[in-house]
Amino acid sequence: NAGVMQNPRHLVRRRGQEARLRCSPMKGHSHVYWYRQLPEEGLKFMVYLQKENIIDESGMPKERFSAEFPKEGPSILRIQQVVRGDSAAYFCASSPNSQVNTEAFFGQGTRLTVV
Amino acid sequence: SQQGEEDPQALSIQEGENATMNCSYKTSINNLQWYRQNSGRGLVHLILIRSNEREKHSGRLRVTLDTSKKSSSLLITASRAADTASYFCATVQSGNTPLVFGKGTRLSVIA
Repeated sequence: NAGVMQNPRHLVRRRGQEARLRCSPMKGHSHVYWYRQLPEEGLKFMVYLQKENIIDESGMPKERFSAEFPKEGPSILRIQQVVRGDSAAYFCASSPNSQVNTEAFFGQGTRLTVV
Repeated sequence: SQQGEEDPQALSIQEGENATMNCSYKTSINNLQWYRQNSGRGLVHLILIRSNEREKHSGRLRVTLDTSKKSSSLLITASRAADTASYFCATVQSGNTPLVFGKGTRLSVIA
């Protein structure tokens, strides 16, 4: 049973380009969470999705950021018109049900660098 | 917003010593979880303690939870160089709320 898979591991984008980050949850997991981590900081919650539904997007910036978790395929975090401040590590986690009951399993992250 | 705040921010100890990290949080919780992050890697779950539990053990790890003080501690006994990592506490309030992380404690174990 493969763990949470994120790709790419490293992504370099020029200012103004789009970044698409992918997350395949563990098999059997239908809950996906995206977090952002700045250097020497903890993880900041961005968005919580179940299949085809956004449950909580309270941590997502209102503009340029969007996320989806389609019925088939990975969850996608999309950042449009990237700026230098978007440079960070983005982690995805999955769980079989809500985190009130169980641990979360994290991917290795995507390190986005905006130049 | 950050829910948990770890203390100390950084800790350096000799191999074989015990390491204690503390976490304080602000609101009522359903459970509290501790995670480890090796440099540049994803987070690995260590232990989950529910609000009605006071202490839990897992191998060399011991976690306590004091809901009256809104605090938790993680004790690593007989530390090893391989324990060098950042340790984060994270809380879940209720229902469909996600994990909320603190800023972490960076532990260095010197051989």
